[in-house]
Amino acid sequence: DADVTQTPRNRITKTGKRIMLECSQTKGHDRMYWYRQDPGLGLRLIYYSFDVKDINKGEISDGYSVSRQAQAKFSLSLESAIPNQTALYFCATLDRSNTGELFFGEGSRLTVL
Amino acid sequence: EDQVTQSPEALRLQEGESSSLNCSYTVSGLRGLFWYRQDPGKGPEFLFTLYSAGEEKEKERLKATLTKKESFLHITAPKPEDSATYLCAVRRNGGFKTIFGAGTRLFVKA
Repeated sequence: DADVTQTPRNRITKTGKRIMLECSQTKGHDRMYWYRQDPGLGLRLIYYSFDVKDINKGEISDGYSVSRQAQAKFSLSLESAIPNQTALYFCATLDRSNTGELFFGEGSRLTVL
Repeated sequence: EDQVTQSPEALRLQEGESSSLNCSYTVSGLRGLFWYRQDPGKGPEFLFTLYSAGEEKEKERLKATLTKKESFLHITAPKPEDSATYLCAVRRNGGFKTIFGAGTRLFVKA
């Protein structure tokens, strides 16, 4: 099983619909992140969380909300999806040990028609 | 503002043709510079962390180097399986956000 699991992997929806992307991890890391990836723009940070009581906005949080249900679960919601939110979304956890690396999920591809 | 710029956007090599990818960065107090590999349809996978100018790290055909303004990912005698997008990223001291560049797409032809 993957260390960071995202569901759904693919989703097609219509403008105005509410969408939730879910992320769960078995790494035991306290820090979790949601990124969005668009061609030519790289990965941009949407929200990040240090624990269930600590949620922070990233550089592109407008139109998104998050919930940290437990240390292992971090969900991203689009309350009213719009076409320019069509993108590849990644959840990641941070290893605060020597390498400081991020562990990424496989991604959730969202298409808003 | 922390910033990462990668060049070229895309690089096409023949198998065995060595080359380098560039990552220029601006950050106030570098905690670490990171290199990741991303295959199509997959999440990025960690390759290296570099912490200070002059540091080098190696893994198989890849070697990453760091100066005060840029990092290079050198690929020696690449193989088709090295084809992927390579992402560079930085994190500042005391910071909790990792800032990514747009990546370099590498194609290695047999």
